[in-house]
Amino acid sequence: NAGVTQTPKFRVLKTGQSMTLLCAQDMNHEYMYWYRQDPGMGLRLIHYSVGEGTTAKGEVPDGYNVSRLKKQNFLLGLESAAPSQTSVYFCASSYRGRTEAFFGQGTRLTVV
Amino acid sequence: SQQGEEDPQALSIQEGENATMNCSYKTSINNLQWYRQNSGRGLVHLILIRSNEREKHSGRLRVTLDTSKKSSSLLITASRAADTASYFCATDAQRGNNRLAFGKGNQVVVIP
Repeated sequence: NAGVTQTPKFRVLKTGQSMTLLCAQDMNHEYMYWYRQDPGMGLRLIHYSVGEGTTAKGEVPDGYNVSRLKKQNFLLGLESAAPSQTSVYFCASSYRGRTEAFFGQGTRLTVV
Repeated sequence: SQQGEEDPQALSIQEGENATMNCSYKTSINNLQWYRQNSGRGLVHLILIRSNEREKHSGRLRVTLDTSKKSSSLLITASRAADTASYFCATDAQRGNNRLAFGKGNQVVVIP
């Protein structure tokens, strides 16, 4: 099994550009999450989803949107990228009722 | 706000020695988890300890939890070069809706 797969792995954006990060999991997990990881800050939750068609805000949602149209996919969108969104983004998933999370390999995003 | 917070350590030890790192948190929890992150990779779940447990072992890992002090420790015995990584604690808070709050991480370097 592939587990949690993120695409792309690297991306450079210009300020104001938009992009979508894709997360796919093949473990039939109900819950999916998007985190960002910055030096000295640990992981911070951006948005999460408890099931297909549902999304909710996390700790740092501003500037991001998400969609969960299919159970296996969770998309993170940046409508107008800002340098402050330069970060490493991680997707994770878990079973309902169990919080052990499975992580993707990360997407390193640089906004110039 | 983040709940899990490790003591900000960059630990450097010789192969074969034990490595200990600590984590404190602020609110009541259902469980506390430890994750490992190798450089440039995603996080990998190591061990989970529930709020009604005080100690748990898994291979060379030993986790303790003191809910009265809201703290946890992770001990890696007989360290190996392959244990070089960052280690994060994460708390599953009561009323957390299956959301994990991660600490800032501890960098451990094991010198062969």
